[in-house]
Amino acid sequence: EAGVTQFPSHSVIEKGQTVTLRCDPISGHDNLYWYRRVMGKEIKFLLHFVKESKQDESGMPNNRFLAERTGGTYSTLKVQPAELEDSGVYFCASSPPLAGVINEQFFGPGTRLTVL
Amino acid sequence: DAKTTQPPSMDCAEGRAANLPCNHSTISGNEYVYWYRQIHSQGPQYIIHGLKNNETNEMASLIITEDRKSSTLILPHATLRDTAVYYCIVRPWSTGGGNKLTFGTGTQLKVEL
Repeated sequence: EAGVTQFPSHSVIEKGQTVTLRCDPISGHDNLYWYRRVMGKEIKFLLHFVKESKQDESGMPNNRFLAERTGGTYSTLKVQPAELEDSGVYFCASSPPLAGVINEQFFGPGTRLTVL
Repeated sequence: DAKTTQPPSMDCAEGRAANLPCNHSTISGNEYVYWYRQIHSQGPQYIIHGLKNNETNEMASLIITEDRKSSTLILPHATLRDTAVYYCIVRPWSTGGGNKLTFGTGTQLKVEL
């Protein structure tokens, strides 16, 4: 079974440019999460999709970040315009439908974003 | 979510048991203890979780104290590939409480020959 995949693995852009990160969750996983680790900091939650709906977006830092999950399959995270402080590693995770039980989250390898 | 406290780093000899402690003195009755780890340049990986009973799986054992204020993750025979940052996370079981993971600073475990 394929795991969570993320694309690209690395992205280097200049300040003010736009970048779109993609996450493909494990097939059948309704829950999709985005996290990020910026330099020297802890891994922080960004948002949580249940299928195509945003369940919790309390961790989104500002309106330069836009996450979508059209059709409830893959998700994209767009940063526009990118700022220096957005540099870090962006992780995507997915988990099966809840059914009343908290499930483990399966993480992708991350996208390393560098904003120059 | 309840806060956890872990030592910043630990060393372990290969083949020996690695015992990683975690304090979660403010844990609520509906919160589980989860352990994840992050091997360098990879995404976090689930290890084990428990509520109040000790748990064991193919990766590790989890010992939770009776008052649930602390726990210990045990890797019975650590190998070099177990070198990673280990995160202890407490998290409610109720879906109403949200399913996000709140990562702290974790413990950097270094397994040496």
